[in-house]
Amino acid sequence: GAGVSQTPSNKVTEKGKYVELRCDPISGHTALYWYRQSLGQGPEFLIYFQGTGAADDSGLPNDRFFAVRPEGSVSTLKIQRTERGDSAVYLCASSLIVTSGTGELFFGEGSRLTVL
Amino acid sequence: QQPVQSPQAVILREGEDAVINCSSSKALYSVHWYRQKHGEAPVFLMILLKGGEQKGHEKISASFNEKKQQSSLYLTASQLSYSGTYFCGTEVGLEYGGSNYKLTFGKGTLLTVNP
Repeated sequence: GAGVSQTPSNKVTEKGKYVELRCDPISGHTALYWYRQSLGQGPEFLIYFQGTGAADDSGLPNDRFFAVRPEGSVSTLKIQRTERGDSAVYLCASSLIVTSGTGELFFGEGSRLTVL
Repeated sequence: QQPVQSPQAVILREGEDAVINCSSSKALYSVHWYRQKHGEAPVFLMILLKGGEQKGHEKISASFNEKKQQSSLYLTASQLSYSGTYFCGTEVGLEYGGSNYKLTFGKGTLLTVNP
């Protein structure tokens, strides 16, 4: 069965450029999360979608970061005017809707972003 | 707000046991445990809910002390396949009893199991 798919798997860009990272969640999963992981660190929460709406975007570092999920399935994380500090692995995870807290998260393999 | 994990790293021989601890300064709704192998995605192991309900892996057990906001993951009779980095993720409880639907992960514990 298909898991969470993320593209591209690797992205090298120059400082100041615009980047889009795509996440295709498991079919039927209404909850979608974006995390960022730096070397030697745990995943850092960025944003959480329930359906099409961003239920919690408190983890987005600044207004250069934006994410959408227009049809409640595929999500795109957009980073404007990239900086070297944005370099990390960006992880997407999806989950079935649960009524009692966060359910089991299924993570994708991640998109490794390198800003030169 | 990030939970604190200990130890940072542990090395075992196959068949030995290990305990990994996770503590939070916040009132928790649940604690989640994930394992990540190098270059791979984190994989779910366990959820421990406030109230004692536990969901997850057959061969790995865990505890959740709600009063102390602490959780421990118990790996018994370790196998080579247990090697990886273990992360706890904490979910904050809200005043009305619900959760914030957001996992905050610790820095991880690197477990190495040698033959």
